[in-house]
Amino acid sequence: DADVTQTPRNRITKTGKRIMLECSQTKGHDRMYWYRQDPGLGLQLIYYSFDVKDINKGEISDGYSVSRQAQAKFSLSLESAIPNQTALYFCATSTSSGGNNEQFFGPGTRLTVL
Amino acid sequence: SQELEQSPQSLIVQEGKNLTINCTSSKTLYGLYWYKQKYGEGLIFLMMLQKGGEEKSHEKITAKLDEKKQQSSLHITASQPSHAGIYLCGADSGGYQKVTFGTGTKLQVIP
Repeated sequence: DADVTQTPRNRITKTGKRIMLECSQTKGHDRMYWYRQDPGLGLQLIYYSFDVKDINKGEISDGYSVSRQAQAKFSLSLESAIPNQTALYFCATSTSSGGNNEQFFGPGTRLTVL
Repeated sequence: SQELEQSPQSLIVQEGKNLTINCTSSKTLYGLYWYKQKYGEGLIFLMMLQKGGEEKSHEKITAKLDEKKQQSSLHITASQPSHAGIYLCGADSGGYQKVTFGTGTKLQVIP
């Protein structure tokens, strides 16, 4: 089973709708991240959380909100979706307990806003 | 904020050929990550470099960090179709695991 899972994998919605993307991890990591990927722009950090009570804005947080329901769950919400939020969204996790500090990524959610 | 520039943006090579991808930072690199992404899928960690002059290898992929030049290179020897994908470098801006990513290099390997 995958260590970092995202639901849904694909979503098509209309402008103005509220959307929630969910991320779950079984790695026991304390840190979780949400990124969006647009063609030619690489990955941009939306929000990150270093533990359940610590949530921080990333580079492009406007129009998004997050909730860290538990150490293993981190959800991203678009309160009122707009077409320029069409992108590939990734959740990632990492641990503060040493190692390579690498981030482990989920498979992504492809969101289309019409 | 830290910016990372990757070159080239895309690359098409014939199977068996060597290739190099570069990543240049606008600021000092405290940690540099290389990831590979298959088209439309998640990122897979390749390696991390921390010290100036450090070099790491994994199978046929070698990455080097030149801290003085604020640059890292990823070299693939004898490329194979399985190497195809998007390669992204990421910089750790001061040890907090808040990584800034480059725009990626799309690699195609022609059999």
